[in-house]
Amino acid sequence: QKEVEQNSGPLSVPEGAIASLNCTYSDRGSQSFFWYRQYSGKSPELIMFIYSNGDKEDGRFTAQLNKASQYVSLLIRDSQPSDSATYLCAVNLIGAGSYQLTFGKGTKLSVIP
Amino acid sequence: EAQVTQNPRYLITVTGKKLTVTCSQNMNHEYMSWYRQDPGLGLRQIYYSMNVEVTDKGDVPEGYKVSRKEKRNFPLILESPSPNQTSLYFCASSPGTVGKLFFGSGTQLSVL
Repeated sequence: QKEVEQNSGPLSVPEGAIASLNCTYSDRGSQSFFWYRQYSGKSPELIMFIYSNGDKEDGRFTAQLNKASQYVSLLIRDSQPSDSATYLCAVNLIGAGSYQLTFGKGTKLSVIP
Repeated sequence: EAQVTQNPRYLITVTGKKLTVTCSQNMNHEYMSWYRQDPGLGLRQIYYSMNVEVTDKGDVPEGYKVSRKEKRNFPLILESPSPNQTSLYFCASSPGTVGKLFFGSGTQLSVL
């Protein structure tokens, strides 16, 4: 079963705190991992991608990948109310074919002022 | 402006009445895809296309058809819509890497 799993939340953090969003996936051989942000009533937008084990930083966002544990996470530092959205993890699962992208169900984040 | 354009934005129809949702991108992207988004089920891939005349099924292709006659256009066809196809539909395109998707604004479809 090809799966991408996320906690649905909601995850509530105070403004200025670090928000940690987690994702696990089923296929050990998967190579490409993506995080999308979706505001209510809007379409998803790509915010981070990572291919190699370790951390990748872009501004306040850090993506972390651990292929051995089949785990990818997104950290948002200095969280702002404007970060309140649903965050979708997406994986190019090897078992699903090289041209398919499988999404998790998303984690809803609320940043409390 | 670089964009993926879907039409219509909202559509209400009745069971069995054929419909087409159009999708067009102006970024010269090779890869295009259709997703549906349902509460509690997330985004699920319906069909995708790697290039002109090349399409393949995603996870939930039943009841849908697609065609890719031109690079920029990738319409989604429901030949006999049913109520279980009521959903929010997104078209997306990518320059090459499957995961770097640009999404359209979405089409909210209701089948009565």
